[in-house]
Order: sequence, then C-alpha cells, then structure tokens
Amino acid sequence: KAGVTQTPRYLIKTRGQQVTLSCSPISGHRSVSWYQQTPGQGLQFLFEYFSETQRNKGNFPGRFSGRQFSNSRSEMNVSTLELGDSALYLCASGPGVMNTEAFFGQGTRLTVV
Amino acid sequence: AQSVTQPDIHITVSEGASLELRCNYSYGATPYLFWYVQSPGQGLQLLLKYFSGDTLVQGIKGFEAEFKRSQSSFNLRKPSVHWSDAAEYFCAVSGTASKLTFGTGTRLQVTL
Repeated sequence: KAGVTQTPRYLIKTRGQQVTLSCSPISGHRSVSWYQQTPGQGLQFLFEYFSETQRNKGNFPGRFSGRQFSNSRSEMNVSTLELGDSALYLCASGPGVMNTEAFFGQGTRLTVV
Repeated sequence: AQSVTQPDIHITVSEGASLELRCNYSYGATPYLFWYVQSPGQGLQLLLKYFSGDTLVQGIKGFEAEFKRSQSSFNLRKPSVHWSDAAEYFCAVSGTASKLTFGTGTRLQVTL
C-alpha cells in the first residue's frame, strides 16, 4: 500500500508569489491534515479536512488555505509568500478521525527567497 | 488548551545503552498520546500510541512508552539503543479535537 505522497518535494519561490502544495493520502483514507515545521516554531497544525470539509483550522493567517477533493487528495495554498513561510510542510492522512491515527508524508521543503 | 513539554532538547547515549525520553502533557481529559520519529529531511514515522487500557504500550523498533496519569507523563524507552536510532523524537497529544499538538522534540545522538 502506497504511503502519503507529497509533491513537489522541494520548492523555491520568491517573496510575494503564491504556491500550491499537493498531498495524496493513503488509499482509503478520508482525513488529511497539514502541518508546518520550522526550527523556531516546531510543528504547528495548519488545518484538517475530512470528506472535503475543513474540520479544524490552526492559528495561521488567511494567506494559508487548503481544500480537499472528492478523491481525498488535498492541496494547500500560500499566497503572498513571506520569508518566514520557509518551512517543511507535512501532510498526514488518517482512516477517519485524525486523532486515532496519522500517517505522514515526506513533506515539501519550501524556501522563500 | 492541550500542550506537550519535552524537557530534553538533545540527548547522547552510547550504542547498547538504555534510553528514556521524557514527555509531559497538559490536557483536561484522557488524552490520546503518540511518539513519532523523524530522520533528517524526512517525514514523521509513528512509533507508538496510547488511547486507553494498558498503560505500557509497545511500539515498533523495540520502543515502549508508559502512560502515567498522576504525573501527566508519557516517557519513551528502549532497553538497548542502536546507531540507527539517531533521529529526532516528537511526543504529541490530541483529544476531542482532531489536531495533534507536538512537543519541541528531542534530538538523539548515538555514539559508537
């Protein structure tokens, strides 16, 4: 069974641009969550989707948004990139309610210059 | 609000020695507790989880953790560390909300 797939693995963007990251969950999983990991702030929850509905959202500005498609694949978008958005973005999928099981992908390393 | 404290930022142990990584959590009710491991540049791998029942849980790679409600702790242990265990370890808690709240991590270095 394939794991959680995140694309691209690495990304370099310029300040002010926008970026879209993609996450394909494990087959059969309906829940997808996103986390931001930085050396200064650690791992922080961004948002969670279940069956195309956002169930929970972390404390991030509105520049961070996401969505989930009917096949459970998810995308997150960051608009008007800032240098501080440079981070490893991790996606996790779960079979149902996220707090029982979360399988993480390899992450997308975003560098904003 | 839920929170996790990992008091040790960095730990060094010799290969073959025992290991204990500390984790304290704050949550109003019975929490769901997790330990994850992350190798450089990689995602997080679930080592073990506690939901209810037996307070000593076994995980992968020979790790175990003990839930102690009275101490609000969920420490990770391994009787004999291998050089391949060198990585960063994260304790996490969740409750009725579906999000995971992570500690700041403990970086484990293994000397040969």
